[in-house]
Amino acid sequence: EIVMTQSPATLSVSPGDRATLSCRASQSISLNLAWYQQKPGQAPRLLFWGAGTRATDIPARFSVSGSGTEFTLTISSLQSEDFAVYYCQQYNDWPPRLTFGQGTRLEIK
Amino acid sequence: QPQLQESGPGLVKPSETLSLTCTVSGDSISSSNYYWGWVRQSPGKGLEWIGSIYYTGSTYYNPSLESRVTISVDTSNNQFSLKLRSVTAADTAVYYCARLFQGSKARVFDYWGQGTLVTVSS
Repeated sequence: EIVMTQSPATLSVSPGDRATLSCRASQSISLNLAWYQQKPGQAPRLLFWGAGTRATDIPARFSVSGSGTEFTLTISSLQSEDFAVYYCQQYNDWPPRLTFGQGTRLEIK
Repeated sequence: QPQLQESGPGLVKPSETLSLTCTVSGDSISSSNYYWGWVRQSPGKGLEWIGSIYYTGSTYYNPSLESRVTISVDTSNNQFSLKLRSVTAADTAVYYCARLFQGSKARVFDYWGQGTLVTVSS
């Protein structure tokens, strides 16, 4: 079973600054990773998948990198609406498994 | 774009069966490009994939829940359903239904329902 570990658990960043969120897989998952954003009381929202395919209406200040076991979501120049919880999800193990990381809470400093 | 809506009881007694239905509009559940799935989120916790189904009825389940879960599809009503047996308080969560896009190796949840809170309590 592939375990996804996100760090840090909580990240405090000031508006306008850059945020870097990490996701690590317990074994290589190639580029088979997705990122989601979840705001309080809302369903998750797909941000990216694969090598960097951006979902609909995702702003250019969001970017992703990484492959194998180490992945990064970067948000440049944080806006107020970006403070949320971010999850990574691997699909390399499909079928039959899909696995989420435990999430990183991005909060206002 | 598709819309997904969960429905079902918000309160289930311990040891009983949790049953939820997801109604899909704006898209055909019989589309070859998608699986359909359930994801849950315990209060204050992260996301847990429960299982997914193809319109043909082919299913995949989270091994940690597989012994208690059944997901079924009703193509005539554009719905799919979740049954989770022998529930305990640990099954209290917001349950989301979602569309699982499959394209060029991707397996990602691109559209989600709003979620429904199910509480397990006597």
